Amino acid sequence: EDQVTQSPEALRLQEGESSSLNCSYTVSGLRGLFWYRQDPGKGPEFLFTLYSAGEEKEKERLKATLTKKESFLHITAPKPEDSATYLCAVSVSGNTGKLIFGQGTTLQVKP
Amino acid sequence: NAGVTQTPKFQVLKTGQSMTLQCAQDMNHNSMYWYRQDPGMGLRLIYYSASEGTTDKGEVPNGYNVSRLNKREFSLRLESAAPSQTSVYFCASSRQNTEAFFGQGTRLTVV
Repeated sequence: EDQVTQSPEALRLQEGESSSLNCSYTVSGLRGLFWYRQDPGKGPEFLFTLYSAGEEKEKERLKATLTKKESFLHITAPKPEDSATYLCAVSVSGNTGKLIFGQGTTLQVKP
Repeated sequence: NAGVTQTPKFQVLKTGQSMTLQCAQDMNHNSMYWYRQDPGMGLRLIYYSASEGTTDKGEVPNGYNVSRLNKREFSLRLESAAPSQTSVYFCASSRQNTEAFFGQGTRLTVV
């Protein structure tokens, strides 16, 4: 069964304290891995797409990386405005593009 | 630049009542999705439509029906609402195997 697991469930950081969020996946055939940010009361907002092992994408303080079994979202010198829930999702071969989501990591950055 | 639009934003139903959640996208995407989000459960796929005229069950389809009215619109119907269907519902759309874009959600309470 295709499965996506994110860890940790919650993470508290001080402003400027860098860390990483993990997304591990067990799927029959990966077509793509996606990272989203979700603020309270809002829909998920797309951040990155990764398609193959070794690929990296960056945006401001965020950097996403991909291996054959997991992805990391690295947050460098976070600010309070980076506080949100970060969701990972995969698109699987033979599933006509439907996305399977992990449960998310809720990040709180304190000033 | 509307993207994905969902209506209504909030709804309270009595057990046994029916209602339809509406979703429209203006990005010319082929694929559309309905997810529900519950605390600690992440985003779970209810139904999806890979193209106009096709629909398929997701992870949690029981108690729901969908209609892909045309390429732009994908509706979700609750025929007889139950308290277990209290949730936040998100509609999304994408090109196949690329990132999905989400609406702002419908917060549904069934009493």
